[in-house]
Amino acid sequence: DVKVTQSSRYLVKRTGEKVFLECVQDMDHENMFWYRQDPGLGLRLIYFSYDVKMKEKGDIPEGYSVSREKKERFSLILESASTNQTSMYLCASSDPLDRNYGYTFGSGTRLTVV
Amino acid sequence: DAKTTQPPSMDCAEGRAANLPCNHSTISGNEYVYWYRQIHSQGPQYIIHGLKNNETNEMASLIITEDRKSSTLILPHATLRDTAVYYCIASYGKLTFGQGTILTVHP
Repeated sequence: DVKVTQSSRYLVKRTGEKVFLECVQDMDHENMFWYRQDPGLGLRLIYFSYDVKMKEKGDIPEGYSVSREKKERFSLILESASTNQTSMYLCASSDPLDRNYGYTFGSGTRLTVV
Repeated sequence: DAKTTQPPSMDCAEGRAANLPCNHSTISGNEYVYWYRQIHSQGPQYIIHGLKNNETNEMASLIITEDRKSSTLILPHATLRDTAVYYCIASYGKLTFGQGTILTVHP
């Protein structure tokens, strides 16, 4: 089974801190994605990457950046955390040549910014 | 991604078939229909997808109308563990999740 592992399940950070959310997948997938999920707003795409060193903005990239130095790892960076970035963050990966397994999601990181 | 419309909630009795509808009237020719579900406190889980033909796998069946403007996800024998939010997505590339349908399976 494809596994997508997010480094932390729960995280509490202070306003203004630089925050790194790490995501690792073990199936050599080309595509990786970061979403945030908030009550009433559903899942919203922040950034995605179709290859190493490549990144594309999603629907809500403001306040975030990403890094993909290796194929298996996709990091989401909050340059200066703010309280409105308190959310559940979900990482996903997929193989663009095989739709039969769709996206595989990690278990999520619940970030609280205080 | 084409816009999809789903009922906000549905109920189903355990052991009965759950039929979840989705409208995607603006779907374009190369967009697939995907279904995912999300059980509380977990990431979404892929269920099934299709382009034109009906599809079946070990989890569910997907019925797509001939004009492709709507589809139905069928869980043939719903169990309590199928209680979740179900998302229908029409897309060729990256996925955009809407609000989904909250399916509650009751004893």
